[in-house]
Amino acid sequence: DAMVIQNPRYQVTQFGKPVTLSCSQTLNHNVMYWYQQKSSQAPKLLFHYYDKDFNNEADTPDNFQSRRPNTSFCFLDIRSPGLGDAAMYLCATSRDVQNQETQYFGPGTRLLVL
Amino acid sequence: AQSVTQLDSQVPVFEEAPVELRCNYSSSVSVYLFWYVQYPNQGLQLLLKYLSGSTLVESINGFEAEFNKSQTSFHLRKPSVHISDTAEYFCAVRGGGYNKLIFGAGTRLAVHP
Repeated sequence: DAMVIQNPRYQVTQFGKPVTLSCSQTLNHNVMYWYQQKSSQAPKLLFHYYDKDFNNEADTPDNFQSRRPNTSFCFLDIRSPGLGDAAMYLCATSRDVQNQETQYFGPGTRLLVL
Repeated sequence: AQSVTQLDSQVPVFEEAPVELRCNYSSSVSVYLFWYVQYPNQGLQLLLKYLSGSTLVESINGFEAEFNKSQTSFHLRKPSVHISDTAEYFCAVRGGGYNKLIFGAGTRLAVHP
């Protein structure tokens, strides 16, 4: 089945130690998104790629970066995780950027910062 | 700017009872509305969406939502809930370009036997 895959499902890192979360998709979608969801809160968009074009949300901290080496894969890099970065990180894809396109979400990676 | 308000943070209900999860939106452009469901420790799954046409949209598992433009609402309803419907439900609206989603804060539905 075509899907959005996130690895690992749970990630533990130390305060200040760089961490990378990965997302892959078999849907061949052009757009990939990264959301941050803190406990009991709504998912918040961090950035997205439209093909190779990177688009950062205005309030996304500089500590967060992303890479998309090819259509299938997208990575979220947190350069120096703080305790406040502990959250569920959700990857999503959509076929294109028209407003009627559905976003498909992966299962998420829960990040714990010690 | 687009925004979404989910009026209830938690909704407890007994099994087989009806339920309504409320959602109000604010949008200055064409409205595209979504309900997503999130089971514990899982990602979001699309439940249903309104893009155009009939204001009543249905999902395959018995949920329905009605787009009401005059009341700027998109409430989610189910006539008879099951234990397995226990989850967090998020209402979302398209916000800005690039197909962005603006989510509400979520409503936790707890179905009790």
